[in-house]
Formats: sequence, C-alpha cells, structure tokens
Amino acid sequence: DAGITQSPRHKVTETGTPVTLRCHQTENHRYMYWYRQDPGHGLRLIHYSYGVKDTDKGEVSDGYSVSRSKTEDFLLTLESATSSQTSVYFCAISKDRTNEKLFFGSGTQLSVL
Amino acid sequence: DQQVKQNSPSLSVQEGRISILNCDYTNSMFDYFLWYKKYPAEGPTFLISISSIKDKNEDGRFTVFLNKSAKHLSLHIVPSQPGDSAVYFCAASGSRGRSKLTFGKGITLSVRP
Repeated sequence: DAGITQSPRHKVTETGTPVTLRCHQTENHRYMYWYRQDPGHGLRLIHYSYGVKDTDKGEVSDGYSVSRSKTEDFLLTLESATSSQTSVYFCAISKDRTNEKLFFGSGTQLSVL
Repeated sequence: DQQVKQNSPSLSVQEGRISILNCDYTNSMFDYFLWYKKYPAEGPTFLISISSIKDKNEDGRFTVFLNKSAKHLSLHIVPSQPGDSAVYFCAASGSRGRSKLTFGKGITLSVRP
C-alpha cells in the first residue's frame, strides 16, 4: 500500500462544530486530493492540492476548506459541520497528474448528528 | 448532471462465469477512462484504464472495451472469482488523463462460489 494515513478513521460530531480530517503521506507525492463517497453519488472531489500552499476547489467544495503547509500533510476542515456532510472521506495522492496513479487512503467515516 | 453513469447498482454472477460491468458517459471531452475497485473499509484501487485512441485494453482477467460513438465502456472479468466481489467505479477525464477525474456511482459485484 502507498503510505497514506487518514486520521481519524471514525468520528461522530454534532451539527455546528468544526471538524478537521488529516491526510498524511510518506511518498513525497506532489498531488493530493480529498473526495467524499456517498450512496448514489460515487466519489466526488472536494478540494485538491498541486503542492505546498497550492490548493483549489473541486466540484463539492462548499462548507469545506483545506490547507497544505507541508508536502506530507493535507488537512480538510469542515468549518461548521452539517448533517449533509455525513459521509466517507477519502484522501488520495499522485506523483504526477496521470490519474491512473491515484492512490487512496482507507477513508474516514464521519457522522454529523 | 451526471457525466459518468453506471446505471446498474449491482450485479451477481457465478464463479467462473463472465462479469460485464457497464459505464456510459456524456461529456465528449473525456478521452481517458479508468476502473477502480473498492473493498469495504478500504480505499479504491486502480484496476485498468483505456485511452480514447484504443478500443480495447487487456490485463490478465480484466478487459476494458471502449465504444466512443456510443459513449460507452465496459469492464469484462473472465473468469470471475469470489475475490472479485467489490464495488467497481468507472471514472473519466479529459486532457489525455491529466484533468481531474469524474466518477460514476459504482456497481456492486457479487461473485457467488
């Protein structure tokens, strides 16, 4: 497995609270991505990063922010969690922009009550 | 507006038989297609890909066929094995694989022993 660690693996939180999910990689890959997986929607891109302090929005970025201060860490923050953000969140990394070399972490199951 | 469609949510086949997983797309700019496989509690893993300049790509038991005129691709697994039971995501991108991926909803394949 590619060296990708997501933390926490599971989290339950209340509506309105801030939540930060962490993705840590040991591969020194330049590109990092956050996806969410929901029944009936597949995988949808939230935010991505092409390098330190270089981030951009994906297709479902509302309510989320990201930061990348180091190559190895990509943080996803839910500023004020809502029930619609209950989902499984996956971090992915790639060495270059060739998409077949996209490696995913094991995911974080987030429940917002 | 769903650009990558996997209209069948599930498929069940007998071990040893062929599994055919279908995927349709609507965006004419897509020129690179991938299949990812996902087991429960794990992240998706890359399975096989095909460029729009080809109509077939084969890797062991897995073959992907692309019909550009119909905007349709299919993944064939022959022979199917119980270990193939997983969720399969079809994904597409443009710019010869260098733009961000758009995923379908996924198909749950069950291979019966």
